[in-house]
Formats: sequence, C-alpha cells, structure tokens
Amino acid sequence: DIQMTQSPSSLSASVGDRVTITCRASQSISTHLNWYQQRPGKAPKLLIYDASSLQSGVPSTFSGSGSGTDFTLTISSLQPEDFATYYCQQTYRTPITFGQGTRLEIK
Amino acid sequence: EVQLVESGGGLVQPGRSLRLSCAASGLTFDDYAMHWVRQAPGKGLEWVAGISWNTNIVDYADSVKGRFTISRDNAKNSLFLQMNSLRPEDTALYFCGKGYTAFISGRVDYWGQGTLVTVSS
Repeated sequence: DIQMTQSPSSLSASVGDRVTITCRASQSISTHLNWYQQRPGKAPKLLIYDASSLQSGVPSTFSGSGSGTDFTLTISSLQPEDFATYYCQQTYRTPITFGQGTRLEIK
Repeated sequence: EVQLVESGGGLVQPGRSLRLSCAASGLTFDDYAMHWVRQAPGKGLEWVAGISWNTNIVDYADSVKGRFTISRDNAKNSLFLQMNSLRPEDTALYFCGKGYTAFISGRVDYWGQGTLVTVSS
C-alpha cells in the first residue's frame, strides 16, 4: 500500500497568514494527489485535484503543487472559514489512501 | 444538485452484520464510480471500498477485505455496503462518495453527510 505522510499534524496561524501543508508519498504517484478540507461535524470537501487543479467554487487563495512523492497545499491568506482539518489523498493505486490530516487552528 | 444520503447505521454487537445504503440524486448515477470512506471518532479518513460504474471493478481496504461487500443498483440510484463480522474497530462515521470518473482510481467530488456505525456489546 502507498503510505501518505502529512506535516505538520497541527498548525496554529492567524487570519491573513500564508500557510503551507506538505504531503509525502511512500512511492511515486505522479500527480494523482488530491486535497480535501473537513470542518468539524461536516463531510470532507474537495479543494485540489491532480496535485494542482482547483476544484470549481474553491477560492483562489488555495493552491497545490508537486509531483512524484512530494506535494504542498498552500493557503495564501487565511480566512476565518479556513480553520479546519486538511487531508491529502492518493488515487494512483488502490487501495486509495489518505494522509493522517493536518489540523489548522486559530492562533 | 448532487445529493448523497446515507442510511442504515446504528448500534450492533461484535460479530453481527449491518447493511448501509446511499441514495443518490441529481446525477446520472451509472456514469460514475462510487466509494465508501469512514472516519473513526476523533480520527482521520479511511477509504473502505470502491465500485466502478458497471460493477465490474470493486476493491477494498485490507482492513475490511473478506468481511465487507460493496454493491450498487443503478436502476435505483443506490449504493450499498454489506458489513459482516463487525468488530469494535469498525466503529465510525461512514461516508458515501461519488467518484469523478467511471472508475475507482479518481477523486471523490461529492460526499454525503455520513451514517454512524457503532460496534459494541
């Protein structure tokens, strides 16, 4: 199975900050990497697919990059509604696997 | 608007069975793969199973292989998860998800709100 490792596991930041979350795959997954946001008590929401494509309706403050084994999710200017948990997911090979999550908290 | 509504969760004893359902609307159901993803209390997301548009391809997480069966009824726009030999570690919120393509290897672009399964004596 392909293991996905996110860092950091948690992060404190302020409104307006720029933050970056990283995700590393245990083997190359090309660009078969997606990012999801999950607010407390809610279903996950797709943000970025194929490593760098922005899902329709997602603010342009979100961006993704990377290929192979190393990927990043960047939020250029944090808004109050961005404080949530973020997950990466590989869909290169089944079983599909997720990272353990990064909890983004208000400082 | 795509809507996915899960049902069938509840409290069940270890070793027993449960069948989850997901009713889909607002989409051409048989154009897309479908998935089950679960989340144990306070934990992260775990992909459980996926099924292609025509049921020809199914796959499972190792943790449920041999105990869970995913299926779909395209005529009724419905997805199912038959869960047998349940264990306490299967306790989780189970989400139904729509795949972006007809095949399992792809992103999940719509999610239901989940149905809670609790396995306890």
